[in-house]
Amino acid sequence: EIVLTQSPATLSLSPGERATLSCRASQSVSNYLAWYQQKPGQAPRLLIYDASNRATGIPARFSGSGSGTDFTLTISSLEPEDFALYYCQQRNNWPLTFGGGTKVEIK
Amino acid sequence: EAHLVESGGGLVQPGGSLRLSCAASGFTFSNYAMSWVRQAPGKGLEWVSAVSGGGGSTYYADSVKGRFTISRDNSKNTLYLQMNSLRAEDTAVYYCAKDPPSSGGYYYYFDYWGQGTLVTVSS
Repeated sequence: EIVLTQSPATLSLSPGERATLSCRASQSVSNYLAWYQQKPGQAPRLLIYDASNRATGIPARFSGSGSGTDFTLTISSLEPEDFALYYCQQRNNWPLTFGGGTKVEIK
Repeated sequence: EAHLVESGGGLVQPGGSLRLSCAASGFTFSNYAMSWVRQAPGKGLEWVSAVSGGGGSTYYADSVKGRFTISRDNSKNTLYLQMNSLRAEDTAVYYCAKDPPSSGGYYYYFDYWGQGTLVTVSS
């Protein structure tokens, strides 16, 4: 099973700042990685798929990069609605796996 | 726009069974792989099971293999999860989720999610 490790666990930032979230895989997942955002009481929302492709309707301030074992989600300038939990997920190998999540909180 | 509605959750004793359903609308159901993803209270996301568009290929997390069965009825636009031999650690909100559009094959990501149905396994 591929283990995805997200860091940091919590990121404390102010609106307007840049957020950089990391996801590291225990073995290569090529570019088969997605990012999701989840707010309390809501289902997750797909942000990025195949490492760098924004999903439909996702603002351009969200971008993804990386391949192999190291991936990054960048939010260029945090909006108030961006403070949430973020998860990465790989589809390179069965079983599909998620990372443990990074919480982006208001500083 | 795709819409997914789960049902069938509830309180069940350890060792018991439940069948979850997910009614889909707003897209051509048979064209898309579908998955179940769960989230234990206060915890992260855990993929449970997936099925291809035609239903011929199924996949399971090790934690549920041999106990859960995923299926779909494309004539009814409905996804199912039969859960047997339930354990306390199966307690979670269960989401059904749809695969994104692709030019061929399946992604096995999740672009639309239902609101979730809570399964509680307790005596």
